Order: sequence, then structure tokens, then C-alpha cells
Amino acid sequence: GQNIDQPTEMTATEGAIVQINCTYQTSGFNGLFWYQQHAGEAPTFLSYNVLDGLEEKGRFSSFLSRSKGYSYLLLKELQMKDSASYLCAVRGGSNDYKLSFGAGTTVTVRA
Amino acid sequence: ETGVTQSPTHLIKTRGQQVTLRCSSQSGHNTVSWYQQALGQGPQFIFQYYREEENGRGNFPPRFSGLQFPNYSSELNVNALELDDSALYLCASSSGTSFQQYFGPGTRLTVT
Repeated sequence: GQNIDQPTEMTATEGAIVQINCTYQTSGFNGLFWYQQHAGEAPTFLSYNVLDGLEEKGRFSSFLSRSKGYSYLLLKELQMKDSASYLCAVRGGSNDYKLSFGAGTTVTVRA
Repeated sequence: ETGVTQSPTHLIKTRGQQVTLRCSSQSGHNTVSWYQQALGQGPQFIFQYYREEENGRGNFPPRFSGLQFPNYSSELNVNALELDDSALYLCASSSGTSFQQYFGPGTRLTVT
């Protein structure tokens, strides 16, 4: 089975940094994804990690430690438009193409 | 390049009825995955279709069924609707078994 945990809610101030943690216990591992989802909209792809380490893409960075079953998404220079739900998802083994999602972390950015 | 589209946007059905949701995949994509997202939850995998064949199924009962057509568009059918089927149904397309899935805007189904 798959068990993916992330905090329910986080609040931060505009211009600040927020780190969203995700821990997972899965029967296989073939990559970890972060998606952003605004209310009532489709999830949009943010990042993908399959090897340990940090992947940086503009204001967003994602880190993976496979031995610890741990990832985080770092959002820098927060903007009001970053208020959204952030979903952590894991792809299982090489023949398992589905994504298993966490419940999502709602980030609220305050002025 | 056209993105993933889904129809209808919203749907209200009565318990016991049947529903068909449709998805057009992004141009060049031959794989479609369906997910159910209940309010406040992450998406749950229903099944995936690759080149018109089911290629994996999540923990959903047989009354959830699907099809993929030669143009790679797809349908999700749900029979004997239950109140708990009320959710956002998301379709995601990808190229082969590429890691990146592109989601459509979803269909909001309400069962009363």
C-alpha cells in the first residue's frame, strides 16, 4: 500500500519562505511529484524528483531523500497567487504508472 | 497544441443513476488516467488506459468502468451512483508511460 503524509495547512506572509514536508511509505518508488492546485482547478505540475537531492526551478525547489522517505517543497519570495493546495504524489515501481497522492497542504499567503 | 479537456464541467445526478464523463487527451498523448478527488482530499487513482487497453486499476469497484478510443480520448462510466461518488473527476494524459501527467479541468459530479 501507499501512505503519504503532509501537513493540512500552512500560513505565511508575502515575500517569506515556506517549506512543505512530505513523508511517504510505499511498496515501490519511481519518482516523487509536487503539484499545485488552486481551488476548483486542475492540479498543475511543479516538480519531479527521482534521485536524492535538490531540484531548483525558479522560486520553487524540491528535495528528496529516498532512504528517509522524505521530500519537501520550498516556496521562496511568496506571492499572493501562491495561495493554493500543494499535492505530494508518489509513483510506485517501474510497472506502476499511477500516482498516489497525499491529501494536500493548503498554503495561505497573507499580505 | 490543445490541452486536456473534459466534459461536462458540472453534473448533478440522482442516486442509482448512471453517468458518463469524457476526456480528450493532449495532442500526441496516448495514455489517459482517471482520478477521483473528494473535497479536501488528494486525487485517488481509478484506472489508466494505454493504447485503448486498461493498464492498471486502483481500489474502485467494477461499477467504475472506462474506455479509450482510437483517437486516445476516453470515457469514465459509473453505474448505480452512490452519494459518496460525489467528487471532482480528473483526467490526466501523458505520452506513453512518461512521468509527467497533464490534468484536465475536471468534472464536478454531485449525487443527490
